[in-house]
Amino acid sequence: QSPLIQPRSVSGSPGQSVTISCTGTSTDVGTYTYVSWYQQFPGKVPKVIIYDVTKRPSGVPDRFSGSKSGNTASLTISGLHLEDEADYYCCSRTGNYATFGGGTKLTVL
Amino acid sequence: EVQLVESGGGLVQPGGSLRLSCVASGLDFGREYMSWVRQAPGKGLEWVAKIVPDGSEKYYVDSVEGRFAVSRDNAQNSLSLQMNSLRGDDAAVYYCARETFWRFDWWGQGALVTVSS
Repeated sequence: QSPLIQPRSVSGSPGQSVTISCTGTSTDVGTYTYVSWYQQFPGKVPKVIIYDVTKRPSGVPDRFSGSKSGNTASLTISGLHLEDEADYYCCSRTGNYATFGGGTKLTVL
Repeated sequence: EVQLVESGGGLVQPGGSLRLSCVASGLDFGREYMSWVRQAPGKGLEWVAKIVPDGSEKYYVDSVEGRFAVSRDNAQNSLSLQMNSLRGDDAAVYYCARETFWRFDWWGQGALVTVSS
């Protein structure tokens, strides 16, 4: 039950695109399509923005997209907005458990 | 609208016990997989425990196995987490969350657990 590996921080300017990686193993990300991403603002509750690797819940802008290759999942945010500045966490099924990544702080400069 | 409301957080001494509760509304609770997820101050999210709809199966992260117990009362739409032998690294905000195919799509506001002497 080791955390999935995410970069601690990424940054971009408004209008640019950024990609956050989430690296696991063949026992989690590499095996399952149950990868989700969460956005969390300081002091707030996490919110799911991507599930099943690529799906977006209703109301989430299509600027947010997900993908997966091998043991690594990725979240791409296109056309960055200032309000996208937040912490982002990936999560994967790991057998009967769930494993989160360590989180990535996105700074929009 | 789905609402999950946690209660029972507070200050406890190392080695002590605490019981968290989560009352759900706006969903068919007895058909839902429910989990507890925690977040230590300034740290990331950590899945803690999960219980299947009828309560017959329960799963825990290794670090709490044998110390924490998740349970549910479907008649009362409630979820509980009994935490024993608490340690400093158990200090966190504990969220109850509805889990749908390994995504956590509804979260409570969280209950703060502080472990300190």
